[in-house]
Amino acid sequence: RKEVEQDPGPFNVPEGATVAFNCTYSNSASQSFFWYRQDCRKEPKLLMSVYSSGNEDGRFTAQLNRASQYISLLIRDSKLSDSATYLCVVEVYGNKLVFGAGTILRVKS
Amino acid sequence: DAGITQSPRHKVTETGTPVTLRCHQTENHRYMYWYRQDPGHGLRLIHYSYGVKDTDKGEVSDGYSVSRSKTEDFLLTLESATSSQTSVYFCAISEWSLGSGANVLTFGAGSRLTVL
Repeated sequence: RKEVEQDPGPFNVPEGATVAFNCTYSNSASQSFFWYRQDCRKEPKLLMSVYSSGNEDGRFTAQLNRASQYISLLIRDSKLSDSATYLCVVEVYGNKLVFGAGTILRVKS
Repeated sequence: DAGITQSPRHKVTETGTPVTLRCHQTENHRYMYWYRQDPGHGLRLIHYSYGVKDTDKGEVSDGYSVSRSKTEDFLLTLESATSSQTSVYFCAISEWSLGSGANVLTFGAGSRLTVL
């Protein structure tokens, strides 16, 4: 089993739609969780951290479920500019981060 | 801006030749990483460094070596390149983010390597 698993998609949604991605992780001792965004042929960039209580940043909401070992990302009112690959990242121990393979989102007009 | 520069950005080489990729940072970060990214695998850690001359292996270190003789430079070397090492290579630094309450990675723009 991979340490971090994501549905690769692609998720094809119309502008204005709400879309959610899930990511599961295998190490129950993991402490830090993140979502990164990667545009085509660019480097990944931090989108947001995921806190135990859940957190929101504008149209983006991240949730953590430790009991079931998954994190989620919800995007409301999708924009064309949200089209990207979203990477789930988990700190497994020390200073080491493990990346999921990514979920592709395509927002269409 | 973490001031991370990777060079070269693109390289085509032949099987069996040595290749060195350079990562340069300007902000004195202690931790530096080399990842490779391939379709279906996401980013996988090759090697990382936690200080000058202090390095350790990641999950896909076979066929790669690294060196860090100065804080600002982290070099990744493929001693004898193979076609399976065709990939996009990303360098990253780790820094504490007060907003996140955790160490977060910031990446360089990537180096696209093709081994024929």
